[in-house]
Amino acid sequence: DTGVSQDPRHKITKRGQNVTFRCDPISEHNRLYWYRQTLGQGPEFLTYFQNEAQLEKSRLLSNRFSAERPKGSFSTLEIQRTEQGDSAMYLCASSSYVYEQYFGPGTRLTVT
Amino acid sequence: DQQVKQNSPSLSVQEGRISILNCDYTNSMFDYFLWYKKYPAEGPTFLISISSIKDKNEDGRFTVFLNKSAKHLSLHIVPSQPGDSAVYFCAALGGGGSNYKLTFGKGTLLTVNP
Repeated sequence: DTGVSQDPRHKITKRGQNVTFRCDPISEHNRLYWYRQTLGQGPEFLTYFQNEAQLEKSRLLSNRFSAERPKGSFSTLEIQRTEQGDSAMYLCASSSYVYEQYFGPGTRLTVT
Repeated sequence: DQQVKQNSPSLSVQEGRISILNCDYTNSMFDYFLWYKKYPAEGPTFLISISSIKDKNEDGRFTVFLNKSAKHLSLHIVPSQPGDSAVYFCAALGGGGSNYKLTFGKGTLLTVNP
């Protein structure tokens, strides 16, 4: 069991650039989630996939954000035209049941 | 509007003693609660959970208590060890709007002193 992996672990980008993050869930998990965490706060839900279907999106996910999960395996989260307010830790989680979600190490994004 | 609240930003205990971390919630439709532990620069690690139909769940040194009438849950760690030093997050599932979304508190930093 290799756990949830995320790539890259750190990303520094200039305002206005596009960035893409990847998440590989635990292999037998069909549910995948993205969260965002800022300093001093708990993780906040962004979006949820069951297999390849995106079933829920938070209103936090502006139209600059898009997530995909082709073939129900890995997922990508893209942020277009990054802003300084996008600086945060982006966390991916997966689960086989609705309840316990297992998190990856996160991608820390810094927008300068 | 914070639906899950951890009112103590930090807690310090001596090794071997009990650590009690508290969490309050406002949404009576939450039906499952989880505790996560987080070390710096790592993702949250699942610790223990409890269904709203139970009032206690135990796993080794960790016990979670749920008081539905008070909308309060607590995590007890006995005995506390220095390796338990981390940020602990309380999270709730359900809440009427979504069966998938975890709603987190802001976390409590636990320091266990040798």
